[in-house]
Order: sequence, then structure tokens, then C-alpha cells
Amino acid sequence: QTVVTQEPSLTVSPGGTVTLTCASNTGAVTSGYCPNWFQQKPGQAPRALIYSVSNKHSWTPARFSGSLLGGKAALTLSGVQPEDEAEYYCLLYYGGGQVFGGGTKLTVL
Amino acid sequence: QVQLVQSGAEVKRPGASMKVSCKASGYPFTNSYIHWVRQAPGQGLEWMGIIHPGDGGTTYAPKFQGRVTLTRDTSTSTAYMELSSLRSEDSALYFCARTMMGVTNDLDYWGLGTLVTVSS
Repeated sequence: QTVVTQEPSLTVSPGGTVTLTCASNTGAVTSGYCPNWFQQKPGQAPRALIYSVSNKHSWTPARFSGSLLGGKAALTLSGVQPEDEAEYYCLLYYGGGQVFGGGTKLTVL
Repeated sequence: QVQLVQSGAEVKRPGASMKVSCKASGYPFTNSYIHWVRQAPGQGLEWMGIIHPGDGGTTYAPKFQGRVTLTRDTSTSTAYMELSSLRSEDSALYFCARTMMGVTNDLDYWGLGTLVTVSS
């Protein structure tokens, strides 16, 4: 069974920098897994932030960036804003099927 | 503008089937893929499957294989997700999301979700 693991929770101060990661139990995450990152706030549908490792949408704030780091997919927020408090999910592609990570609850405090 | 409009909330009995619709507009429906994702109350996102409206080709997550069927109606640009043999654990918010052909696995636009409650 494929399992994608994210940090359950992280806390960051306003203006700070935080990195969320996304690991696969099948081995190192590479560009072939086409990692996606989504933000979800309570009562809302997920919002796409990053696709295929590091590509941003027109609506993705510049402070969000995606990368591969130490065999994992990573989402870095630089200059965190209070409105960035949310749940963040990664999604990995496994040759047809896809699996979401369990999500990271990001608290801005 | 791109929109995915989903059908309304449903209440189902255990053992019944449900069918949720997702009507696309603002882009060429057959040049896309439609994903289905669900979220149980207070839980994370779960990928269920994908359909290519152009040829009807589907891929299902192993967990749902045999119980989920994805279809589409290209005349109305609508995708459907049918889940059978419902149990209480299937109570969730069901989302559709699209990926455009030629853009690697980018789930860029999402529907607002359809709440399904399974209860006797």
C-alpha cells in the first residue's frame, strides 16, 4: 500500500519561513511523481498552489515555492502571512493512480 | 471562466448507491481529465479516480476498484461518479477537479463539493 507522509502540524511566526515536506514509502520523490501542493481552509474546497514540483498558478502568491529536497517534495513559505494558516496537502502521481498525503496543519502564531 | 458545478447534497441508506455529477464549463471538456476526490468529516483528502472525457478512459484507486464507476456525457460536459454498496464510512464531501491535457497532472480547478451522508 502506497503511503504519502507529511508533517501533521507545524507552527511558524508571521514573517518567518517554513518548509513542509512530502515523502513516499516507495522511495525518493522525484519529478516523475509530479508533486502537487494544495491549500485548504475550513469550509472551502482545496486550492491548487504548485504543480509538477515547482510550477505556480497565476493566483499563487510569490512567497510559496516548491522543490525537491532530500528525497522529498517540499513546499516553502517565505515571509508567512496570517492568512497562510491552513491545511496543506501534497499529491503524488504513481503512474496512473495518485495518492494524497495526510496533510499538514500550519499554524501562524 | 472555468467552472465545475457539482450536484446537491444527498442522504443515502447503507447498501444503496449514489451518483454525483460535475458539470464543466469555460473550457474544452474533452481536452481534460476529471479527478474525483473525497474528504470525510475532519479528515484528509482521498483520491478516488480519474476519467478522460475524450475517450472515457478511467483509472481507479485500488481502494475503490469494483465499487466506483466514473462516466461522462460529452453532450452536456458533465462527469459522473457512482459509488455503490454505501456504508457509513462513505459519508464525506466529494469533489471533482480537472487537469488539462498537456499540463502534467495539474488539478487546477475544483468544484465546491457534494456532501453525501450515509445513514440508516
